[in-house]
Amino acid sequence: KAGVTQTPRYLIKTRGQQVTLSCSPISGHRSVSWYQQTPGQGLQFLFEYFSETQRNKGNFPGRFSGRQFSNSRSEMNVSTLELGDSALYLCASSPREGNTYEQYFGPGTRLTVT
Amino acid sequence: AQKVTQAQTEISVVEKEDVTLDCVYETRDTTYYLFWYKQPPSGELVFLIRRNSFDEQNEISGRYSWNFQKSTSSFNFTITASQVVDSAVYFCALSEAENYGQNFVFGPGTRLSVLP
Repeated sequence: KAGVTQTPRYLIKTRGQQVTLSCSPISGHRSVSWYQQTPGQGLQFLFEYFSETQRNKGNFPGRFSGRQFSNSRSEMNVSTLELGDSALYLCASSPREGNTYEQYFGPGTRLTVT
Repeated sequence: AQKVTQAQTEISVVEKEDVTLDCVYETRDTTYYLFWYKQPPSGELVFLIRRNSFDEQNEISGRYSWNFQKSTSSFNFTITASQVVDSAVYFCALSEAENYGQNFVFGPGTRLSVLP
């Protein structure tokens, strides 16, 4: 099976802009989670989608949002970008809902905000 | 609130040495899940193991072994006869089933360097 894919792999944006990141899960996986990884804060959970519904959300401001499509592909959107949003954004898929099962991660999208 | 501590920020060993990565967790839930993930230089997190709070059996998978002790809230990971390819950042993580994934927490990670 193909692994989790994320596009784009690298992105440079300016403060105030918005960005959309895309994630395609492993075939058959209906759960998609997003994480932010920074040197200072480490790996932090953003949110999880299952069957097109957001199931869980971490402690991030409303500027961070997402959605999931009927084919389980997911997008994450960050509006009004801030310098602190520069990070590696990781997407993970799982065969089951919730974060209590193993997750399979994509290579990430490295976002740089200038 | 749940918390995962990996006190070792960086470890360096010489190839073929054994190395143990420590993980200590905090949770008030009785049902929870513990994980280890590996992040090699390529950046992609790789799942290694999942263990639920009711299963305290130690597990061995090739050169990898895990020691889960609820009494000390620890879930340590040992690599036997380390190899250069084991060089990576290793993360321990905790998920509380009763919070249904709202609190999925990674530890800060331990960077392991295996020198030839």
